[in-house]
Amino acid sequence: GQNIDQPTEMTATEGAIVQINCTYQTSGFNGLFWYQQHAGEAPTFLSYNVLDGLEEKGRFSSFLSRSKGYSYLLLKELQMKDSASYLCAVSPNDYKLSFGAGTTVTVRA
Amino acid sequence: GAVVSQHPSRVICKSGTSVKIECRSLDFQATTMFWYRQFPKQSLMLMATSNEGSKATYEQGVEKDKFLINHASLTLSTLTVTSAHPEDSSFYICSANRGLAGGGAGGDTQYFGPGTRLTVL
Repeated sequence: GQNIDQPTEMTATEGAIVQINCTYQTSGFNGLFWYQQHAGEAPTFLSYNVLDGLEEKGRFSSFLSRSKGYSYLLLKELQMKDSASYLCAVSPNDYKLSFGAGTTVTVRA
Repeated sequence: GAVVSQHPSRVICKSGTSVKIECRSLDFQATTMFWYRQFPKQSLMLMATSNEGSKATYEQGVEKDKFLINHASLTLSTLTVTSAHPEDSSFYICSANRGLAGGGAGGDTQYFGPGTRLTVL
């Protein structure tokens, strides 16, 4: 089976930085994805990592270390609209995705 | 962009009835679509992989006779919940694979539809 772990909840202040960690143990590895999901809505794609290193996209960055089975999503200059659940998902060895339980981020003024 | 639509967005039905949910990729062709179910405050659980022109592949524990999947074209997949019961009430989300822009080292990005909230009374 696939095992993907991420913290359940995180709280941060508007304008701050938050780092969401994700560790995984999967039968194979074909890439790691981060999605954002607001309550009652479908997930939206944020980032994709398949090689080690940091991928930066505006206020969001994602890092991957395949040898450690570890990734993080970095959210900078937090805004109230960033309050959402952030899902770490791994593609084991085909086009399927296995999702972590999600990290609920609450941004406070 | 990659747009995936779902219809209906919300449905309430009586126990024992069947409900059909449509998933369409609007601006790209998707040979593979996925159906997920999400219970409150839980993550997405893959139910089945829908392949155009062939039978769907179901995940362990998902009843294929209860959740009928048809992938009639490269832009349309349907999920029919047959003889729905209150325990089937959930948020059903489809996704479609689209190749990463400029290629990639592997894997396709999945783009999700807006979801269908099913309530069975």
